[in-house]
Amino acid sequence: GENVEQHPSTLSVQEGDSAVIKCTYSDSASNYFPWYKQELGKGPQLIIDIRSNVGEKKDQRIAVTLNKTAKHFSLHITETQPEDSAVYFCAATPGGYQKVTFGIGTKLQVIP
Amino acid sequence: DAGITQSPRHKVTETGTPVTLRCHQTENHRYMYWYRQDPGHGLRLIHYSYGVKDTDKGEVSDGYSVSRSKTEDFLLTLESATSSQTSVYFCAISALPTSGSYEQYFGPGTRLTVT
Repeated sequence: GENVEQHPSTLSVQEGDSAVIKCTYSDSASNYFPWYKQELGKGPQLIIDIRSNVGEKKDQRIAVTLNKTAKHFSLHITETQPEDSAVYFCAATPGGYQKVTFGIGTKLQVIP
Repeated sequence: DAGITQSPRHKVTETGTPVTLRCHQTENHRYMYWYRQDPGHGLRLIHYSYGVKDTDKGEVSDGYSVSRSKTEDFLLTLESATSSQTSVYFCAISALPTSGSYEQYFGPGTRLTVT
């Protein structure tokens, strides 16, 4: 089955700096890569996703890049703000029944 | 927010007792999932459903069973709870993919403690 590795497990940045979270996957059949944000006491919520036919996708301060050859993808958050503090999960899926494999999560702390 | 509720939100139970968690959706989505979240493990899929009475195992299904008799309800049962099943349980739903998105919508979670 799919294996998704995510790092770092914790990340502290100063407000206004950029944050990068990296993930690798093992199954070459995976073609959809979502990123979820989980705030304290809540369920995860999708913030951005990318399909394998796209190398990069941006949404305001958030961007995701995908390297299919190397089987890795990354989340970039620019101009971080205190409200970006949360746990972020990467995931991968080959679609079909949409069985998604998640990484272990990255706890991001933005220091004001 | 997607219309997903989980009940109960918190439960403490003793080892060896049966426990049933309920997920209810008002979105009429086809797919429903049960995950458990543990430190150092992220979210792990327990079971999922791709339609009424259609279910399949995820990566950590041992000790759990599920049932889906109606589109809107997906039940997770721990037949005989063990301390290793202490966790936060999340239900999620998703529709048939549109525009290439397989977004899953998560419920608020159930914190289960087995003593």
